[in-house]
Amino acid sequence: DAMVIQNPRYQVTQFGKPVTLSCSQTLNHNVMYWYQQKSSQAPKLLFHYYDKDFNNEADTPDNFQSRRPNTSFCFLDIRSPGLGDTAMYLCATSRAGSGGVDTQYFGPGTRLTVL
Amino acid sequence: DAKTTQPPSMDCAEGRAANLPCNHSTISGNEYVYWYRQIHSQGPQYIIHGLKNNETNEMASLIITEDRKSSTLILPHATLRDTAVYYCIVNRYEKLTFGTGTRLTIIP
Repeated sequence: DAMVIQNPRYQVTQFGKPVTLSCSQTLNHNVMYWYQQKSSQAPKLLFHYYDKDFNNEADTPDNFQSRRPNTSFCFLDIRSPGLGDTAMYLCATSRAGSGGVDTQYFGPGTRLTVL
Repeated sequence: DAKTTQPPSMDCAEGRAANLPCNHSTISGNEYVYWYRQIHSQGPQYIIHGLKNNETNEMASLIITEDRKSSTLILPHATLRDTAVYYCIVNRYEKLTFGTGTRLTIIP
């Protein structure tokens, strides 16, 4: 089945130690998103790639960066994680074309704990 | 994007229809209404979306008022597995802005 895959599902890192989260998709969608969801809060968009074009949200900290080496993969890099970065990180994909943007499909998420 | 207002929580008896309301009074003419749900510790799951007309799929029905200022998601025969947070989102461009959602609890 076509799907959005996130690895790892659980990640523990130390304060200040860089961490990379991975997302891959078999849907061949051209838009990929990263969301942050803290405990008991709604998901919040960090940034997204529209094809190769990177679109950062205005309030996303510089500590968060992303790479998209090809259509299928997208990475979230946290350069120096703080305790406040403990959260679930969600990857989503959608298909966009001349008719607009289609439905977003989410992966299962990576639960990151910063100690 | 237009903002949405949902009740923070609702209960529904198992087997009954669950009706989840959403207000989006500032919606624009080309903005869609999307519904997602999130079961504890999982990624959000797409349910249904619509622009003007009522929509139905295998999961739910979406009723949008004629003035498009509000909508209702209907789960026709709720089961315990439908317990989740339900998000109503108004979307025009490629971004989703989640509100606080409705926590729906299905009671045996």
